[in-house]
Amino acid sequence: TQLLEQSPQFLSIQEGENLTVYCNSSSVFSSLQWYRQEPGEGPVLLVTVVTGGEVKKLKRLTFQFGDARKDSSLHITAAQPGDTGLYLCAGDPDSWGKLQFGAGTQVVVTP
Amino acid sequence: GAGVSQSPRYKVAKRGQDVALRCDPISGHVSLFWYQQALGQGPEFLTYFQNEAQLDKSGLPSDRFFAERPEGSVSTLKIQRTQQEDSAVYLCASSWGESGRLGDTQYFGPGTRLTVL
Repeated sequence: TQLLEQSPQFLSIQEGENLTVYCNSSSVFSSLQWYRQEPGEGPVLLVTVVTGGEVKKLKRLTFQFGDARKDSSLHITAAQPGDTGLYLCAGDPDSWGKLQFGAGTQVVVTP
Repeated sequence: GAGVSQSPRYKVAKRGQDVALRCDPISGHVSLFWYQQALGQGPEFLTYFQNEAQLDKSGLPSDRFFAERPEGSVSTLKIQRTQQEDSAVYLCASSWGESGRLGDTQYFGPGTRLTVL
């Protein structure tokens, strides 16, 4: 059972467009992480958000943690084909590394 | 090597066969995790080692699944009498610290794709 719900499941956009993916839960998390996974590879950590209301930027990626620490979003500005991948959010409900992942959002950016 | 490595990368087994999946974590990493990722899903936790001690095996689906890390480095996930529902990608991750401390990044290997026919 996965506590984290991600939406949409699939997103296909043209290069240069913006996109937002969401990660929602009914549970409070002390922190949430975002990963990107490419075919045939393991997930790679992009960012960890800790404080409610926190916003973090990583080049064209903006991550936000909800005030109640139950939800998070990832916004990509001017998407590029290299942004293509499976975006996963994950929480650590027991706070010792046992990650719980959402089902992921598959993003496809076409030239 | 610089990262987590797993072998084999692909494994095809006939139903009922036993399989063994290997994980080589980053040298010196204390914590090691196994996850199972079904097609179209996110990874799901299987088990956790701190050095050679298996501290949590609550995610193992059945007693057909067994994991070990006898010397605190390389780990093996063994599945006995494989079933079709065992088909998935098995991911291994390692991290530096003894627990999930904030900022203690888990580094994932590329996974082993297991197909049970």
